[in-house]
Amino acid sequence: DADVTQTPRNRITKTGKRIMLECSQTKGHDRMYWYRQDPGLGLRLIYYSFDVKDINKGEISDGYSVSRQAQAKFSLSLESAIPNQTALYFCATSETGELFFGEGSRLTVL
Amino acid sequence: TQLLEQSPQFLSIQEGENLTVYCNSSSVFSSLQWYRQEPGEGPVLLVTVVTGGEVKKLKRLTFQFGDARKDSSLHITAAQPGDTGLYLCADSGTYKYIFGTGTRLKVLA
Repeated sequence: DADVTQTPRNRITKTGKRIMLECSQTKGHDRMYWYRQDPGLGLRLIYYSFDVKDINKGEISDGYSVSRQAQAKFSLSLESAIPNQTALYFCATSETGELFFGEGSRLTVL
Repeated sequence: TQLLEQSPQFLSIQEGENLTVYCNSSSVFSSLQWYRQEPGEGPVLLVTVVTGGEVKKLKRLTFQFGDARKDSSLHITAAQPGDTGLYLCADSGTYKYIFGTGTRLKVLA
């Protein structure tokens, strides 16, 4: 089983719908991250969390919210999805400097 | 806000050729990492460099960190199809991990 698991892997939704992307990890790391990947833009940081009570906005947090339910779980929500939120989303964890990524969640907003 | 620009954006070469890709930062790196992302997967760490002027080698890959710690290069010798992927640089200082725009490399057999 993967150390960092993202669900769903693929999702197609309509404008205005609420969407939640979930991430769980078995690495025991305190730090967790959500990134968005768009062609030509690399990875952009949406939110990050250093522990359950410490959540911080990244570069592009507008339109997104997160919840850190436990050390192992970090969820990303789009309260009202819009087409320009169509992207590949990655969850990652870190402990000593290296980022460990999930396999990604591809979201399409029509 | 720190900006990391990578060049070239795309690179397509024949197997056996050498290549260099670059990463430039708008401010001094705290520490620099290079990742490689293969299709359908998340990025995987290749190397971390911290000291200006540092050179690290990983088999056919050579990573160089600029003396002023504002730029880095990745040189691949005798590229192979398995080197195909997206190469990303990142500043890993303060554990915020800001990424560059990426270089997409395709090595043709």
